[in-house]
Amino acid sequence: AQKVTQAQTEISVVEKEDVTLDCVYETRDTTYYLFWYKQPPSGELVFLIRRNSFDEQNEISGRYSWNFQKSTSSFNFTITASQVVDSAVYFCALSEARRGYSTLTFGKGTMLLVSP
Amino acid sequence: GAGVSQSPSNKVTEKGKDVELRCDPISGHTALYWYRQSLGQGLEFLIYFQGNSAPDKSGLPSDRFSAERTGGSVSTLTIQRTQQEDSAVYLCASSSSDYGYTFGSGTRLTVV
Repeated sequence: AQKVTQAQTEISVVEKEDVTLDCVYETRDTTYYLFWYKQPPSGELVFLIRRNSFDEQNEISGRYSWNFQKSTSSFNFTITASQVVDSAVYFCALSEARRGYSTLTFGKGTMLLVSP
Repeated sequence: GAGVSQSPSNKVTEKGKDVELRCDPISGHTALYWYRQSLGQGLEFLIYFQGNSAPDKSGLPSDRFSAERTGGSVSTLTIQRTQQEDSAVYLCASSSSDYGYTFGSGTRLTVV
């Protein structure tokens, strides 16, 4: 069975601080995808990144960066110079191949609160 | 449309009543998923539709739950004889490939 663990249930930071959200996953698949989604108070899940299991290159997109380490089964997400608008629940997810398509296994989410 | 549209956005129903939740996927997306987001349970997969193939219903929690997708587009999730444990946010997603999902804003269902 596949599992995604986000050990941090809630994080509070002050604006401009850097913050890292942890994600650890378990899977027996050799090929899989990892995702991060943001869920603001409006409720919609906003896609942030998808990473193939064969690509361990770290990625930076503006203030966001992701550190994928297969050796530790981790896919951590860092926000640099956090802003109030970053306040949301962040979900890490793992694709699960079923009969040729994929469903997502989600972690329980980390609520990030950025105060001014 | 530009995104995945779900209606209603909020639904309050009495225990024992039936409810229908609607999802309008992005035009051209052949795959449609329903997920449920409950407090303490995270996001759970419910059901998947792909084109005209038989849906994967393996995530439906009980036989009170059913879903259909008409014409390969709009989908309706029906919950019969609602129970308080059905209270959750029901999220729909559509995709044009196996690994790219767009989620709707969800329907918040409250069973009283």
